[in-house]
Amino acid sequence: ILNVEQSPQSLHVQEGDSTNFTCSFPSSNFYALHWYRWETAKSPEALFVMTLNGDEKKKGRISATLNTKEGYSYLYIKGSQPEDSATYLCACRVGNQFYFGTGTSLTVIP
Amino acid sequence: NAGVTQTPKFRVLKTGQSMTLLCAQDMNHEYMYWYRQDPGMGLRLIHYSVGEGTTAKGEVPDGYNVSRLKKQNFLLGLESAAPSQTSVYFCASTRLTSGSTEQYFGPGTRLTVT
Repeated sequence: ILNVEQSPQSLHVQEGDSTNFTCSFPSSNFYALHWYRWETAKSPEALFVMTLNGDEKKKGRISATLNTKEGYSYLYIKGSQPEDSATYLCACRVGNQFYFGTGTSLTVIP
Repeated sequence: NAGVTQTPKFRVLKTGQSMTLLCAQDMNHEYMYWYRQDPGMGLRLIHYSVGEGTTAKGEVPDGYNVSRLKKQNFLLGLESAAPSQTSVYFCASTRLTSGSTEQYFGPGTRLTVT
């Protein structure tokens, strides 16, 4: 069992603010780091998959970075919008298994 | 493509009853997974399969059995349901031919055991 931790647990920001969250994982046995966006009453949707130390991925206003040596990944949202409100999950892949964090719940206030 | 589908969407069981949850994917993915999601616990892996005819235990396998008789289907069985199995169950699939492959999730099955 791998301990994947996310912080903060929840976050409220004003529309237009930029924000970021953290995913921490054990750096040994690492294979890939996944970020998902999970809206209420829906299923998780993949945002990014990163495998290499120093990887940076971007999709619109959302971006992510990966540091495998120290075991963390950051997810950034620039200029938050109400439609960004969701839970953001990270998962660490080790072998054929995925280990999930408990998520960061983001609420963007109009 | 329907992607990943799950049947049923909701179910209420009495303690001791049995049931089977069906997961189907039409993406020709080799790997399929069953997770449960409980408040404050995140998604936890129950069982997974790396191909037709193969299954393996995940983090929380006790009380569940699985079968992968066809590549597109992954069944999760509860032989004798317990209240501790009240949860939302998600199925997922992936190609996993490389480290950068995404997982695709089904819509979930909400199970209540009374």
